[in-house]
Amino acid sequence: GESVGLHLPTLSVQEGDNSIINCAYSNSASDYFIWYKQESGKGPQFIIDIRSNMDKRQGQRVTVLLNKTVKHLSLQIAATQPGDSAVYFCAENTGGFKTIFGAGTRLFVKA
Amino acid sequence: GAGVSQSPSNKVTEKGKDVELRCDPISGHTALYWYRQSLGQGLEFLIYFQGNSAPDKSGLPSDRFSAERTGGSVSTLTIQRTQQEDSAVYLCASSFTTGTGSPLHFGNGTRLTVT
Repeated sequence: GESVGLHLPTLSVQEGDNSIINCAYSNSASDYFIWYKQESGKGPQFIIDIRSNMDKRQGQRVTVLLNKTVKHLSLQIAATQPGDSAVYFCAENTGGFKTIFGAGTRLFVKA
Repeated sequence: GAGVSQSPSNKVTEKGKDVELRCDPISGHTALYWYRQSLGQGLEFLIYFQGNSAPDKSGLPSDRFSAERTGGSVSTLTIQRTQQEDSAVYLCASSFTTGTGSPLHFGNGTRLTVT
């Protein structure tokens, strides 16, 4: 099966600071990108998505940036809170059924 | 409405036994997916259903793994003659359709432990 499992990189931030989680995607044909948040013991939860015809999209306290030139995606979380502590996955889709997930980044929020 | 429901939430089985994992997708979602997540790892695609048919089974790790979906709704993932390397969290997801603009909605998974 297809897998991108690796040791999880970790980001540690102070409560109230902004967090930036980065992701490099693999397929230049991907046209839809999604960020998911996974808390311990739960399935991944949709946060925000962006289509390839955009380079920025904002949600509530979250912003996704897409740089197609270098195949880079980032998730910015404003005023990070303890409840934001989780593993964050980026995912890419080429318009078909298969969504490919990145390795994930663990976010620790220090009180 | 309810989200994706998976059962059981935990399953401990002995090596060599068969197990069945169940997934109830969100009502109205035509696409259903199974992923596997090993400890500290990313998500490994297993199989996808559109309606009752499975156009792509390429992610199934071996012929001990099979899945079906009935009535365009509930799906079961069956693992025969379980091995210790099958221990993982099995996640089911559904989506309204496939591709751009249709994110996956996941259940909380079934944690399978093979002893």
